[in-house]
Amino acid sequence: DTAVSQTPKYLVTQMGNDKSIKCEQNLGHDTMYWYKQDSKKFLKIMFSYNNKELIINETVPNRFSPKSPDKAHLNLHINSLELGDSAVYFCASSQVSDTDTQYFGPGTRLTVL
Amino acid sequence: GEDVEQSLFLSVREGDSSVINCTYTDSSSTYLYWYKQEPGAGLQLLTYIFSNMDMKQDQRLTVLLNKKDKHLSLRIADTQTGDSAIYFCAEGNAGNMLTFGGGTRLMVKP
Repeated sequence: DTAVSQTPKYLVTQMGNDKSIKCEQNLGHDTMYWYKQDSKKFLKIMFSYNNKELIINETVPNRFSPKSPDKAHLNLHINSLELGDSAVYFCASSQVSDTDTQYFGPGTRLTVL
Repeated sequence: GEDVEQSLFLSVREGDSSVINCTYTDSSSTYLYWYKQEPGAGLQLLTYIFSNMDMKQDQRLTVLLNKKDKHLSLRIADTQTGDSAIYFCAEGNAGNMLTFGGGTRLMVKP
């Protein structure tokens, strides 16, 4: 029944590894997002994606790449993980409408050692 | 670029009203949102207000928007201990990218 789900909830890995975080939404939305929340709780948009357009926050390193196998999924792949990538990553989705309200997943806490 | 600011911390007693304030800079904001984040949890949408509205009320929540001053507030009436959380305001623009404030940690004392 969860509207926006993410896996895994926790991810601990070594520097230099490549990892992916999965996101699925069952709301029928056409746009999905990834956000990064750092240790100070600041939330920053990383990507916005629908089947027509990928919008990238210019500050996001190109080690981060979103991959969308279908409209209901937007996975986040991270290459060559660095210590500074440690954060909570939130997926969200919305439907183009008057409100464009975004609904968030529970978050994935990534720890890079 | 866009900037959204909030005070870091607010402490109230149970039963009192809480007022969380937010200022933003992007005059093209279409919608402004309030999200709640409980410890270890994701972001829960509380309410939103369209930029041409001044006020929106939803049960214990009242949102006030002063578009001229680019000031948004969230008032929680009869604050309960379960309201303790971090509250984020966010502004959405035509590109549908949300810009969040830094979050206000609300602590409710019994």
